[in-house]
Amino acid sequence: TQLLEQSPQFLSIQEGENLTVYCNSSSVFSSLQWYRQEPGEGPVLLVTVVTGGEVKKLKRLTFQFGDARKDSSLHITAAQPGDTGLYLCAGPMDSNYQLIWGAGTKLIIKP
Amino acid sequence: DSGVTQTPKHLITATGQRVTLRCSPRSGDLSVYWYQQSLDQGLQFLIHYYNGEERAKGNILERFSAQQFPDLHSELNLSSLELGDSALYFCASSLSGSPSYNEQFFGPGTRLTVL
Repeated sequence: TQLLEQSPQFLSIQEGENLTVYCNSSSVFSSLQWYRQEPGEGPVLLVTVVTGGEVKKLKRLTFQFGDARKDSSLHITAAQPGDTGLYLCAGPMDSNYQLIWGAGTKLIIKP
Repeated sequence: DSGVTQTPKHLITATGQRVTLRCSPRSGDLSVYWYQQSLDQGLQFLIHYYNGEERAKGNILERFSAQQFPDLHSELNLSSLELGDSALYFCASSLSGSPSYNEQFFGPGTRLTVL
């Protein structure tokens, strides 16, 4: 069974600090997506990583796909209150017609 | 604004009742996905339709059913509602039938409260 585990489940830090959240699996994924969901809204795609070892940057956010394509990380530099939200990772099932979703990391950045 | 619309935004009903949630995908998108999200939890995949045909089924209860119409809008029907069905229900759409490399665009959700 393909599963995605995200850690930590909850993280509350001060503005300006750095943080890393993780998305891990024992299965190989052809790609992984990261979404951010703000309260009361639907998730919004941040990035898709496809190649093992790939690093993608989105302003202060850095996404990395593990060499073996079993895990991914999201690093935020100098976190801002606007980064607050639920960060979800998702990857395609072997059937390719649906995504498997992690339970998410709830991130709160305090001013 | 993702371009995906969902109605109604809020729905309050009683146990045992039946409700219909509606979703209109982004213009040009052929796939519609339905998800359930309970309080402070991740997304639970329910079902995926592509161009009118069912493509994949997740942990969708037998009391729940869905369909995608020729104009590509979709409806999720929930019947014999129970307290535990209270949740946010999201619809998402994407261009192709494969979610692997295609972004899913989410609607604003329908908040269902069963009393």
